Amino acid sequence: EAGVTQFPSHSVIEKGQTVTLRCDPISGHDNLYWYRRVMGKEIKFLLHFVKESKQDESGMPNNRFLAERTGGTYSTLKVQPAELEDSGVYFCASSQGTSRYNEQFFGPGTRLTVL
Amino acid sequence: GQSLEQPSEVTAVEGAIVQINCTYQTSGFYGLSWYQQHDGGAPTFLSYNALDGLEETGRFSSFLSRSDSYGYLLLQELQMKDSASYFCALQGGAGSYQLTFGKGTKLSVIP
Repeated sequence: EAGVTQFPSHSVIEKGQTVTLRCDPISGHDNLYWYRRVMGKEIKFLLHFVKESKQDESGMPNNRFLAERTGGTYSTLKVQPAELEDSGVYFCASSQGTSRYNEQFFGPGTRLTVL
Repeated sequence: GQSLEQPSEVTAVEGAIVQINCTYQTSGFYGLSWYQQHDGGAPTFLSYNALDGLEETGRFSSFLSRSDSYGYLLLQELQMKDSASYFCALQGGAGSYQLTFGKGTKLSVIP
């Protein structure tokens, strides 16, 4: 069974440009989460989808970030326009159910560098 | 909000036992999880404690004391491949299922 996949693995863009990150969760996982880790800081939650619905977007930093999960399968996270402080590693995770005992499976991350 | 504290670095000898402590502050949570991360790769789930006490999974054990706001990860029979970063994370609370991570502990296993 394939794990969580993310694309691209690395992205280097200039300030003001737009970048779209993609996450493909494990097949059958209704829950999809986005996290990010900026340099020297802890991994922080961004948002949580249950199927195609946003369950919790309390961690989204501002309206430059837009997450979608059309059809409840893969998800995209768009940053527009990108700022220097958006640099970091963006992780996607998925889990099978919302039971509080469920393990979240993480993808390898997308390393975003904004110049 | 929630916050967690764990040591930034720990060094231990191959074959030995090491304990990584985690203290936290929160108004409510479902459980405490531990994740391992090699060289910035994907964090990998190790263990989860919903209730007080010890959970054992092979060479890894995790402990939680809700009354002390404290937990730890115990790694036994250390191997060189255990060199990695280890994160404690509070799972959810009040209907949320997000993970709140500590900054991570870098474990170096030496021969």
